[in-house]
Amino acid sequence: EPEVTQTPSHQVTQMGQEVILRCVPISNHLYFYWYRQILGQKVEFLVSFYNNEISEKSEIFDDQFSVERPDGSNFTLKIRSTKLEDSAMYFCASSWDRSTSYEQYFGPGTRLTVT
Amino acid sequence: GQQVMQIPQYQHVQEGEDFTTYCNSSTTLSNIQWYKQRPGGHPVFLIQLVKSGEVKKQKRLTFQFGEAKKNSSLHITATQTTDVGTYFCAGRGRGSTLGRLYFGRGTQLTVWP
Repeated sequence: EPEVTQTPSHQVTQMGQEVILRCVPISNHLYFYWYRQILGQKVEFLVSFYNNEISEKSEIFDDQFSVERPDGSNFTLKIRSTKLEDSAMYFCASSWDRSTSYEQYFGPGTRLTVT
Repeated sequence: GQQVMQIPQYQHVQEGEDFTTYCNSSTTLSNIQWYKQRPGGHPVFLIQLVKSGEVKKQKRLTFQFGEAKKNSSLHITATQTTDVGTYFCAGRGRGSTLGRLYFGRGTQLTVWP
């Protein structure tokens, strides 16, 4: 069964450093998403991406964050200057369409630890 | 903004007992999805409910979507140790927020043998 993959599984970085989290969505999917989950809390939507542009973003997704689809397979989340509070599990998800008919498939996540 | 509340936060049951988690949205949802997350794992899609009043079953799991499309529940009959994990509801927005999932806080289920 096709699946979303994410690398790395764990990233440790110092406060103020830039990090790039990578995702390979399911190959025929068109919509891509980033969510995050702070330890012990709920999963929160960050951003959705379609046709090489952001289609929606949440209040969390400020100027420190950016997303990109640099080639036909990867989908990346960049955090420019990490803060302690960015420590969380970051999940990438993809779906064939954004309509109600289609589920979002989640990747295994990248655990980001900012020290 | 849109909020999805989920209760209880924790539930500890003896194997064989039933379990229910409830979800409530502040606004009408286009649909609701349920996910299960095992400890250390990622959310895994269980089911999606779209129609008002819809009820779906998956073996021992029964999912309901309220008439007003603002609440939902997941009921597990005769829990097993393999049911351990956190169950999240996630409501789908409407209109411009259609692509976004609003997750509830989750109910962490522990099953004692």
